[in-house]
Amino acid sequence: DTGVSQNPRHKITKRGQNVTFRCDPISEHNRLYWYRQTLGQGPEFLTYFQNEAQLEKSRLLSDRFSAERPKGSFSTLEIQRTEQGDSAMYLCASHRNTEAFFGQGTRLTVV
Amino acid sequence: LAKTTQPISMDSYEGQEVNITCSHNNIATNDYITWYQQFPSQGPRFIIQGYKTKVTNEVASLFIPADRKSSTLSLPRVSLSDTAVYYCLVGDSSSGQNFVFGPGTRLSVLP
Repeated sequence: DTGVSQNPRHKITKRGQNVTFRCDPISEHNRLYWYRQTLGQGPEFLTYFQNEAQLEKSRLLSDRFSAERPKGSFSTLEIQRTEQGDSAMYLCASHRNTEAFFGQGTRLTVV
Repeated sequence: LAKTTQPISMDSYEGQEVNITCSHNNIATNDYITWYQQFPSQGPRFIIQGYKTKVTNEVASLFIPADRKSSTLSLPRVSLSDTAVYYCLVGDSSSGQNFVFGPGTRLSVLP
């Protein structure tokens, strides 16, 4: 257990529905990252927060995706109008210096 | 943006030492070299990190030559539970775009 918690662990949704995932990072870590991972690939960077400020967004993060980190604590990742191509593992990591601590991820299946 | 190249897969037997080499010809001065381990349906887990020369911890050693254009993760006396995907990352993680996972090396440890 790395101390980073993600909920839910699994989510099955119908195409076109909205979904929201939550990440609770290690409390003293001020940097939080979201990644997406598909089968056989390494995690792909989506977005990054320093405290409550969203500092970077990957071009992978289309306008259907939005992330927030209110008060610099937990973070949420919302996907609107889900598509089958959104099916993946969504990983959250909090960083201490150059070391990343990952949660166990949320596996999204869009049917 | 530093890119890394690793073997796609490796096989080993229990009790053997395993060395996985990663090439990173474009490593920048500020970049650290970090290795992560990932089991199926889990987030990546930090193994070891280094900047130059040799680093050793309780699970692995990391060898980095003077030019830093490559690095070698050494796992002593592997067991079946070391079967996993191993990722080499080069970056300083202050930028999400600079903290890039490649496809990793799938290590299979055989009895």
